Amino acid sequence: NAGVTQTPKFQVLKTGQSMTLQCAQDMNHNSMYWYRQDPGMGLRLIYYSASEGTTDKGEVPNGYNVSRLNKREFSLRLESAAPSQTSVYFCASTISGYGYTFGSGTRLTVV
Amino acid sequence: QKEVEQDPGPLSVPEGAIVSLNCTYSNSAFQYFMWYRQYSRKGPELLMYTYSSGNKEDGRFTAQVDKSSKYISLFIRDSQPSDSATYLCALKRGNYQLIWGAGTKLIIKP
Repeated sequence: NAGVTQTPKFQVLKTGQSMTLQCAQDMNHNSMYWYRQDPGMGLRLIYYSASEGTTDKGEVPNGYNVSRLNKREFSLRLESAAPSQTSVYFCASTISGYGYTFGSGTRLTVV
Repeated sequence: QKEVEQDPGPLSVPEGAIVSLNCTYSNSAFQYFMWYRQYSRKGPELLMYTYSSGNKEDGRFTAQVDKSSKYISLFIRDSQPSDSATYLCALKRGNYQLIWGAGTKLIIKP
């Protein structure tokens, strides 16, 4: 039972480069989320998908796009990376809205 | 002003002590309250969630909610070095969004 799997675990990008963070869950959860976590800021919601086929902006969506590929997969794309996007990114899923299951995170550095 | 305030710590206590972790919030519309634990370089994991004011106990952990004061607490009894982690409170708003505290780093000294 893998839970929520995120790839890659680490990434270094140059300013202006693009990349896609992948997330997959095997728990048949309906809702999926992308967060970023910065020191002293807590978890901030970037985008979420309440159910397959829908996506909505969270608190800090600028500079990001998402795709809910199917019920299992929810990807996050940085089109033109900026140093301000250096962060740890977490994907999470839930069926109930209370108990979120998180992946182990992607540590992204933009230089 | 943040919707949820949480002291970042670190909070350092000796093994066996009772630990009290707290969050305050400003919006009375929050109805569900959660505590997550996050070990270093890991994702958060759910510890407990409560709906109403009062206490909820699970082993060495007790979650307490005081809606009149907009104050939530997590108590850890007989604290262990393995409890060393960052503890985040999270409050549910609407159907799909959680509002998170910044987390309190807890250190249990053997």
